Amino acid sequence: DQQVKQNSPSLSVQEGRISILNCDYTNSMFDYFLWYKKYPAEGPTFLISISSIKDKNEDGRFTVFLNKSAKHLSLHIVPSQPGDSAVYFCAAMSGSSGSARQLTFGSGTQLTVLP
Amino acid sequence: DVKVTQSSRYLVKRTGEKVFLECVQDMDHENMFWYRQDPGLGLRLIYFSYDVKMKEKGDIPEGYSVSREKKERFSLILESASTNQTSMYLCASSLGGGGAGRQFFGPGTRLTVL
Repeated sequence: DQQVKQNSPSLSVQEGRISILNCDYTNSMFDYFLWYKKYPAEGPTFLISISSIKDKNEDGRFTVFLNKSAKHLSLHIVPSQPGDSAVYFCAAMSGSSGSARQLTFGSGTQLTVLP
Repeated sequence: DVKVTQSSRYLVKRTGEKVFLECVQDMDHENMFWYRQDPGLGLRLIYFSYDVKMKEKGDIPEGYSVSREKKERFSLILESASTNQTSMYLCASSLGGGGAGRQFFGPGTRLTVL
């Protein structure tokens, strides 16, 4: 059973507009959430994170929103740029994961930003 | 910057062969992880290690084993490769303890089993 779900496999957005990537989770024990970006033939790179004690975290063009009651988070990219075209993975962890702090990943969303 | 390197970018093996995938990190991280990435399935955890000689199974350990003899090196072993193990394999590392959990990834090894 997938505990972290990204229901949109792909998203296309015009350059300069807002990109909104969504993620849902089922495990109420998750207390920390991360977004990773992955280009083809490269490993994922960390983008932004949010703790469950917050509902918003911002870093430049990237903002992550967390709605704990809905078990939903979203990544907003404003303005979108062609270089943002990549696969975006949502990931979650709980304090009970043990010392290694395992991440549970979603299936990813391919974002394409059109010039 | 943390650097995680993987021994091969592309690998082609035959069914039944023993396959070794090597991963090295240079930031003295306690935790190391092996994932596989498949279309539509995201990243799935195979094994992880939180200390030298320690290992724990992830979500899909069947058909795999691991070895961690030194802190900086974590090896994934396919004892007898099968075609359903054709995948992208990603290694990651992170700081120990509770930490923030942020994992740093290597570039990946694209393994094809014929």
